[in-house]
Amino acid sequence: NAGVTQTPKFQVLKTGQSMTLQCAQDMNHEYMSWYRQDPGMGLRLIHYSVGAGITDQGEVPNGYNVSRSTTEDFPLRLLSAAPSQTSVYFCASSSVGGGNEQFFGPGTRLTVL
Amino acid sequence: GEDVEQSLFLSVREGDSSVINCTYTDSSSTYLYWYKQEPGAGLQLLTYIFSNMDMKQDQRLTVLLNKKDKHLSLRIADTQTGDSAIYFCAGFNQAGTALIFGKGTTLSVSS
Repeated sequence: NAGVTQTPKFQVLKTGQSMTLQCAQDMNHEYMSWYRQDPGMGLRLIHYSVGAGITDQGEVPNGYNVSRSTTEDFPLRLLSAAPSQTSVYFCASSSVGGGNEQFFGPGTRLTVL
Repeated sequence: GEDVEQSLFLSVREGDSSVINCTYTDSSSTYLYWYKQEPGAGLQLLTYIFSNMDMKQDQRLTVLLNKKDKHLSLRIADTQTGDSAIYFCAGFNQAGTALIFGKGTTLSVSS
């Protein structure tokens, strides 16, 4: 199993550009989430999904869109990048039920100029 | 919603014990978790405790849970330089659909 994979590893954007961060998992997990990590802020939840076709907003959803057309993929779209979106982005997945480990991808480091 | 608080820094000498503390506001999470993040890496699950337990021991790690005070702690015995990392406590949100993390405690171990 590859686990949770994220692409790209690094990205530099100009203000106003759009892009999609890719996330895929091969563990047949129902739950998938996107977090951003900023210094001194810990991890903050952006969006999450409890299954294909179902998404919901987390703590900091503004400026981001998600969709979940398959169990495996959960892309995160930045519609018009802003410098405030400079961060490290982590995708995670887990199976249903408490006590189940949430597996994290290696992260995407995004810089918006 | 869930709020999780941690102290930001802890510095210890190699061989000492480390205790990282965490308080949370929402007690609906069935499990509470400790994650470790090494520099430049993603998060790795260290251990977790069922909310009905008071203590869980796993080799050098001891997790204590005080449900009345909503306080969770992680003790690392015989701390090594390889334990230097950021440690996050986390609990599920009320809907049980996503983890809510504390801001993380940076553990620095000096030899």
